[in-house]
Amino acid sequence: DTAVSQTPKYLVTQMGNDKSIKCEQNLGHDTMYWYKQDSKKFLKIMFSYNNKELIINETVPNRFSPKSPDKAHLNLHINSLELGDSAVYFCASSPNRLAGVADTQYFGPGTRLTVL
Amino acid sequence: AQSVTQLDSQVPVFEEAPVELRCNYSSSVSVYLFWYVQYPNQGLQLLLKYLSGSTLVKGINGFEAEFNKSQTSFHLRKPSVHISDTAEYFCAVSDNNAGNMLTFGGGTRLMVKP
Repeated sequence: DTAVSQTPKYLVTQMGNDKSIKCEQNLGHDTMYWYKQDSKKFLKIMFSYNNKELIINETVPNRFSPKSPDKAHLNLHINSLELGDSAVYFCASSPNRLAGVADTQYFGPGTRLTVL
Repeated sequence: AQSVTQLDSQVPVFEEAPVELRCNYSSSVSVYLFWYVQYPNQGLQLLLKYLSGSTLVKGINGFEAEFNKSQTSFHLRKPSVHISDTAEYFCAVSDNNAGNMLTFGGGTRLMVKP
């Protein structure tokens, strides 16, 4: 069974479009994250949710809106896509932010977004 | 604010040779340190982490790392690498104030040659 899954794996779209990436974890974790990995492999946190509540929002443009319908899902919606949004987006989860700040994070396989 | 520097962007090495991937961090508070591995076209997987206690940490696949507080380093080592160790390796730091938020280094690509 896949612990953290993301769909789609690849996403190719035109500038200006709106798209969503879905993430689901079946580990029973309370905390979920979105990371962006650019073309130089640099990884940066975008958002963190704990039990459906936004915890971290790291200076991400308003065009990016995370949505957590329940604690097993954290979807990423992106409006008005720009060329600079091209990257690999990783979803991750960890057991419980409040229980310990050094939780291991479990990553999904990534979604490669290409904006033309 | 915290930051992580991985001094080598690429490390080529022959199979069965030892390897060290270097990581230095800066933080004004006590930190937790991690090494993650990313195989081609896959997500990240935890290799090992330092929380407290013994400064020598052993992880999966024969890797180990040593926390050196005075040098603010957390270098990753393996005594004998395999072709299958070819991957991108990321050092990361978290602290009590960061709410489990990881700050990653730029990554080191380990290339194991036959």
